[in-house]
Amino acid sequence: EDQVTQSPEALRLQEGESSSLNCSYTVSGLRGLFWYRQDPGKGPEFLFTLYSAGEEKEKERLKATLTKKESFLHITAPKPEDSATYLCAVQAAYGQNFVFGPGTRLSVLP
Amino acid sequence: DTAVSQTPKYLVTQMGNDKSIKCEQNLGHDTMYWYKQDSKKFLKIMFSYNNKELIINETVPNRFSPKSPDKAHLNLHINSLELGDSAVYFCASSQSPTGYEQYFGPGTRLTVT
Repeated sequence: EDQVTQSPEALRLQEGESSSLNCSYTVSGLRGLFWYRQDPGKGPEFLFTLYSAGEEKEKERLKATLTKKESFLHITAPKPEDSATYLCAVQAAYGQNFVFGPGTRLSVLP
Repeated sequence: DTAVSQTPKYLVTQMGNDKSIKCEQNLGHDTMYWYKQDSKKFLKIMFSYNNKELIINETVPNRFSPKSPDKAHLNLHINSLELGDSAVYFCASSQSPTGYEQYFGPGTRLTVT
């Protein structure tokens, strides 16, 4: 069965303090790994798609990387507006289902 | 212009009632989804339609019935509501069923009393 775990569950950073969020997955062949950001009371907002090990994507202060077992979301010099829950999801190569992880709740303090 | 919209945003109802949630997307996508996010914030897929055809039907009570009148709309009807149905329900769409990111609506918070 496809599984996604994320760590840490919650992370508090000072503004400017860089860190990384982890997404570990178990899937029989990966079609794609997706990162989303979810603000309280809103729907998830798409950030990145990664398709193969070694791939990297960047957007402003965020950089996502992928290996055969996990993905990292690196946040460089975060700002308070980066505070949100970050969700990771995978889609297996053999199917159409999406499996989401439980998320990492990030708080960036000014 | 809202990409994926849902109505209503909030729904409070009593056990045993029947209710519907509506979703519309103006992105021209072929695939639409219903997700349930429980109190622990876990997002779980319920159904998916591609070009009005049901392609994902997870283990969901048959009190839940999706309906897609056209590619841009996906509705969710729930019969005989139970306390455990209380959650936030999200609609989403994607360009195709495989390999593409999803765009989510704002969610419908359902509270069953």
